Amino acid sequence: QEQVVESGGGVVQPGMSLRISCAASGFTFSTHAMHWVRQAPGKGLEWVAFIWHDGSNANYADSVKGRFTISRDNSKNTVYLHMNTLRVDDTAVYYCARDPPNSGWRLDCWGQGTLVAVSS
Amino acid sequence: QSVLTQAPSASGTPGQRVTISCSGSSSNIGRYPVNWYRQVPGTAPKLLIYSNNRRPSGVPDRLSGSTSGTSASLAISGLQSEDEADYYCSAWDDRLRALVFGGGTKLTVL
Repeated sequence: QEQVVESGGGVVQPGMSLRISCAASGFTFSTHAMHWVRQAPGKGLEWVAFIWHDGSNANYADSVKGRFTISRDNSKNTVYLHMNTLRVDDTAVYYCARDPPNSGWRLDCWGQGTLVAVSS
Repeated sequence: QSVLTQAPSASGTPGQRVTISCSGSSSNIGRYPVNWYRQVPGTAPKLLIYSNNRRPSGVPDRLSGSTSGTSASLAISGLQSEDEADYYCSAWDDRLRALVFGGGTKLTVL
């Protein structure tokens, strides 16, 4: 079935870096834009970044611009989020989500999330 | 402070109709389609309504979406206990060049 599965979360100290991954299966990954959305404990959803289907363009939330980089490897059906200079307020469950072509920014397939905890 | 504004809570009794509202601006809801998500605490969000008023396969027709100008609404009729969850609206924002979410509405079935 169509699914995305996140991995790579963990506990890191402030100022450190971490890379999380999202592996897709069951659909044509290379035709879909992909997003990262995060949710801090007890808070709402916050969009983080998205990357075009071919990796040619990406957009970021102001809160992570210059610190986070989204990338993808279509040969591995995987999207990544490279997080640098992590801050305590980056602590959240990070979800990966699929955005079909010409879909009006609808995220129709979500992973279960991976927890990133930034703490000294 | 979320770009899209939702009431933090809503409630209803079984069988009732409830409406959840989402207020935006000309750079988001006034220009781009609105999508709605349901999230049961501890689980991943699920797409409920897309392109303002369309339902993905498997979503019952007692859920409906609508837009008017810079606002959007999600209506749930025949309220059931399984509808108790958090609901989020979302749209692309042209001015911010970002996907924006509402702050979420926690729906309680009394």
